[in-house]
Amino acid sequence: KAGVTQTPRYLIKTRGQQVTLSCSPISGHRSVSWYQQTPGQGLQFLFEYFSETQRNKGNFPGRFSGRQFSNSRSEMNVSTLELGDSALYLCASSTEQGTGELFFGEGSRLTVL
Amino acid sequence: AQKVTQAQTEISVVEKEDVTLDCVYETRDTTYYLFWYKQPPSGELVFLIRRNSFDEQNEISGRYSWNFQKSTSSFNFTITASQVVDSAVYFCALRSGSNYKLTFGKGTLLTVNP
Repeated sequence: KAGVTQTPRYLIKTRGQQVTLSCSPISGHRSVSWYQQTPGQGLQFLFEYFSETQRNKGNFPGRFSGRQFSNSRSEMNVSTLELGDSALYLCASSTEQGTGELFFGEGSRLTVL
Repeated sequence: AQKVTQAQTEISVVEKEDVTLDCVYETRDTTYYLFWYKQPPSGELVFLIRRNSFDEQNEISGRYSWNFQKSTSSFNFTITASQVVDSAVYFCALRSGSNYKLTFGKGTLLTVNP
């Protein structure tokens, strides 16, 4: 069974640009979550989707957005990039509603110059 | 509000030593779930264990064991006879109530030297 797949794995952007990251969950998983990991703040929750609906959102500015498609694939977008957005963005999928363990992808490492 | 504290930032041991990673959590919910994840250099978080708040039984899986104590709000992780392949960052995490997010601790970097 294929794991969680994230693309791209690495990318470099400049300030002011926008970026879209993609996540394909494990087959059959309907919940997709996104996390930001930085050395200073650690792992922080961005948002979670289930059946195309955002169920929960972390404390991030509106520049961070996401969506989920009918096939459970998810994308997140960051507009007007700032240097502080440089991070590892991790996507996770789960099959249970709120109780199950999350299975993570290898992440998309974003560098903002 | 939920909070997870991993007081040990870094631990270094020699192969075959036992090592315990500490985790203390805070939540006001009576129903919650605790997790441990391992993050090797590749970046992917690897699920190790999930525990719910109603099950205080300790668990052993090979060289890994977990000690869940509600009285002290702790969920500690012990690796017996550590190996170099155990070197990684280990995260403790909490999911509570109807909240679908995981709250992570800052992680503990474990280095096992040969």
